[in-house]
Amino acid sequence: KQEVTQIPAALSVPEGENLVLNCSFTDSAIYNLQWFRQDPGKGLTSLLLIQSSQREQTSGRLNASLDKSSGRSTLYIAASQPGDSATYLCASILTGGGNKLTFGTGTQLKVEL
Amino acid sequence: SQTIHQWPATLVQPVGSPLSLECTVEGTSNPNLYWYRQAAGRGLQLLFYSVGIGQISSEVPQNLSASRPQDRQFILSSKKLLLSDSGFYLCAWSVYTRDQPQHFGDGTRLSIL
Repeated sequence: KQEVTQIPAALSVPEGENLVLNCSFTDSAIYNLQWFRQDPGKGLTSLLLIQSSQREQTSGRLNASLDKSSGRSTLYIAASQPGDSATYLCASILTGGGNKLTFGTGTQLKVEL
Repeated sequence: SQTIHQWPATLVQPVGSPLSLECTVEGTSNPNLYWYRQAAGRGLQLLFYSVGIGQISSEVPQNLSASRPQDRQFILSSKKLLLSDSGFYLCAWSVYTRDQPQHFGDGTRLSIL
């Protein structure tokens, strides 16, 4: 059974800082890994999807990396802004797991002025 | 473009009452559909998923059921709600291939009294 862990659970940084969110998973036989953003009381917004054959994906100020052998993924946010404040979730699909996502518990990010 | 709608946004129900939450997707055909629950202090848990009309897979034993009467309609139901059914319910869709991300609705906040 896949277990996904995100550290830290909460993070507060000043505006403009570069930051890294961590995601680790126990089963390296993943098909892909996704990063999502969740604003309070809202649904999830897909940020980046990394296929198992890829090492990283970039979208604007976001960069996600994947290291299957070590069971880790990171989300790098450059030049953080107050609008980046949200909970960030990673989730993986196993190779033999259909379309079923297993989610981590998230990192709650606050970017302060 | 594709959109996903969930309603109601908020629901307060007494213990033992029935439940019906609805989710519809527009702008795509034959999507995979998912119901997730996010309980306080816990991660997102997949409840049901469907790859086609009338095809429902249940991930966890529980007091809930799901149905897919039409291609782009997914319904979450219960005959008698329990206190433990409280939570934030999210519907999601994806294309049939696992190479594409899942897209989430805005969720329904369900409180059981």
